[in-house]
Amino acid sequence: DVKVTQSSRYLVKRTGEKVFLECVQDMDHENMFWYRQDPGLGLRLIYFSYDVKMKEKGDIPEGYSVSREKKERFSLILESASTNQTSMYLCASSATTGGSYGYTFGSGTRLTVV
Amino acid sequence: KQEVTQIPAALSVPEGENLVLNCSFTDSAIYNLQWFRQDPGKGLTSLLLIQSSQREQTSGRLNASLDKSSGRSTLYIAASQPGDSATYLCAVLTSGSRLTFGEGTQLTVNP
Repeated sequence: DVKVTQSSRYLVKRTGEKVFLECVQDMDHENMFWYRQDPGLGLRLIYFSYDVKMKEKGDIPEGYSVSREKKERFSLILESASTNQTSMYLCASSATTGGSYGYTFGSGTRLTVV
Repeated sequence: KQEVTQIPAALSVPEGENLVLNCSFTDSAIYNLQWFRQDPGKGLTSLLLIQSSQREQTSGRLNASLDKSSGRSTLYIAASQPGDSATYLCAVLTSGSRLTFGEGTQLTVNP
């Protein structure tokens, strides 16, 4: 089975800190995605990547950046964390551009910014 | 813009009951539809993936159907168990490899 691993389950960071959320997949998937999930707002796409060193903005990219230096790893960066970035962050990957094989999600990172 | 709606938002049933969760989407030009399960505080687990050319998929006690022309999918759960309690999310894949999610149905199965 495809495995998507997010490095931390829970993180607590201070306002203004630079925060790195790491995601690794082990099945050579081309596509990787970062979502955040908030009560009442559902899942919202932050950034995605179709290939190494490629990135595309999702629906809510403000305050975030990403890095994909290797195919298996996709990092989400909060340049200067703010309290409104407290959320559950979910990473996902898929095998083809058309997504014919579906998406696989990681177990999530619960980030609290204080 | 694709919109996905799930009804009901919450459902509470006694153990053993068969149940149906509904999902509707506004743009029928989809590549596939995926049903996920999410336990509290956890990530999403894929349950069933239906390609746009398919009508249904089955896995154990779960059966998902797809009617692309009417923009509807249903997830049927047979003989529900307390362990089925979770939030069920429907998502459709349209152009650009972007999933659009519904808000989910929170299911509680009472012993």
